[in-house]
Formats: sequence, C-alpha cells, structure tokens
Amino acid sequence: QVQLVQSGTEVKKPGASVKVSCKASGYTFTNYGLSWVRQAPGQGLEWVAWISTYDGNTKSAQKLQGRVTMTTDTSTSTAYMELRSLRSDDTAIYYCARESGYYSSGNYYPSYFDSWGQGTLVTVPS
Amino acid sequence: QLVLTQSPSASASLGASVRLTCTLSVGHDTYAIAWHQQQPEKGPRLLMKLNSDGSHTKGDGIPDRFSGSASGSERYLTISSLQSEDEAAYYCQTWDTGIQVFGGGTKLTVL
Repeated sequence: QVQLVQSGTEVKKPGASVKVSCKASGYTFTNYGLSWVRQAPGQGLEWVAWISTYDGNTKSAQKLQGRVTMTTDTSTSTAYMELRSLRSDDTAIYYCARESGYYSSGNYYPSYFDSWGQGTLVTVPS
Repeated sequence: QLVLTQSPSASASLGASVRLTCTLSVGHDTYAIAWHQQQPEKGPRLLMKLNSDGSHTKGDGIPDRFSGSASGSERYLTISSLQSEDEAAYYCQTWDTGIQVFGGGTKLTVL
C-alpha cells in the first residue's frame, strides 16, 4: 500500500533553515507529484509547494517563494523540502501529500491529494 | 481568485446525518474538489474526490456512510449514521494550474 514516511520533529532558531524528508513506498515514485502542506497550531491546512518527481519542476505558494526549495532523490524515492530564514510563524506541522495529477502533451494538470504523510512538527521559538 | 468557503463548525447527534458544505468562488462552479477528514491529533486522510456533476471517487476504506453531491458552486459531504469517530475537522481542497487551495475547514461535533 501507498506509504509516505516523514522525518522527525525539528526545533530551529529564527533565521535558520530546516530540511524535511518524505520517503515514498508502495508505488512508482516518478508517476506522482508531491506537495507539501502545513498546519499552524490550531489552524487549517495551507498549501506550501509542489514538486514533479518526474522532471523536478516546482511551484510554491506566493508567500513562501524565495524561501522554500524542494528536491527529490529518485534512487531512494524520497522528497525533501527546505525552508530557509525561519520565523516563529513558520511553526507548524508539515505534511507531504501525493498528488494524483498527470502530464498530457507536455503540460501538467494538478489534482487532489490521495495520500498523506504522518506529518513533521517544525518549531521555531520566538 | 480561487477560494473555498466552509462554515467553521457543525454539530449533529450520534446516529443522525449531517451535510457539510464547501462553496467555490464566483466563476469556478465547474471545479472538482476533494474532501479530507482530520481526526483530533491525526493527519488528514482523503475521503473522496467530488466532481461538479456530483459523481465521486472515494479513498481507500472509506465507508458507505460518506457520500458527496454537488449543486452549482456548492459541494456537499453527507455523513449518515454518525459515529463518535466522525468527530473531526473536514477540509475541502481544489486546484488549478500552479496552485492548491483549501477551505478553512469545518469542525464537526457529534453530540
């Protein structure tokens, strides 16, 4: 079955960087894109960024552009999200989610999230 | 701008039915959405993808008590025979080129 297993809890100082991993299993890694979604304490879900595991293309939420980088290691079916210049309002649980989009005639068509990781708590004390 | 609107809270009695609503912004009433459930202290899980015509595809292992429907810009999640474990937050999600959008979530209380 599809599994997304994320790295453990992180505590970082303001201004530092954090890198969270998401290891996929149970399916062909390069057939599905991966998104990152975060949830601040007591708040709702917020989309952070997406990476194509097929060609490395990325997109991110406007408010995080310039601070977030996503990469993949197809040899280990693992995706990574790095967030730089951390602030206290980056404190959240970060989830990776498999996206059931597809490519057609060179264009990517996004779709819904059909599987989620268990989440990684990133804390940035103020 | 693509926006999803949900009521912050809902409540219904054990064994009853409840319908939750997710409303698409103007001009986006042909969009499909997905419903996700987040039980307390857990991560989200996919309930279903719901198309604008009301057809839906459920996630793995989702009981028949969960169903979806649509009308215009509104997308509905109906839960019948409510059980205690249905007490959770429910989020709708939609997408467009280069963007994913979530509604604010509805916290369902089972009385």
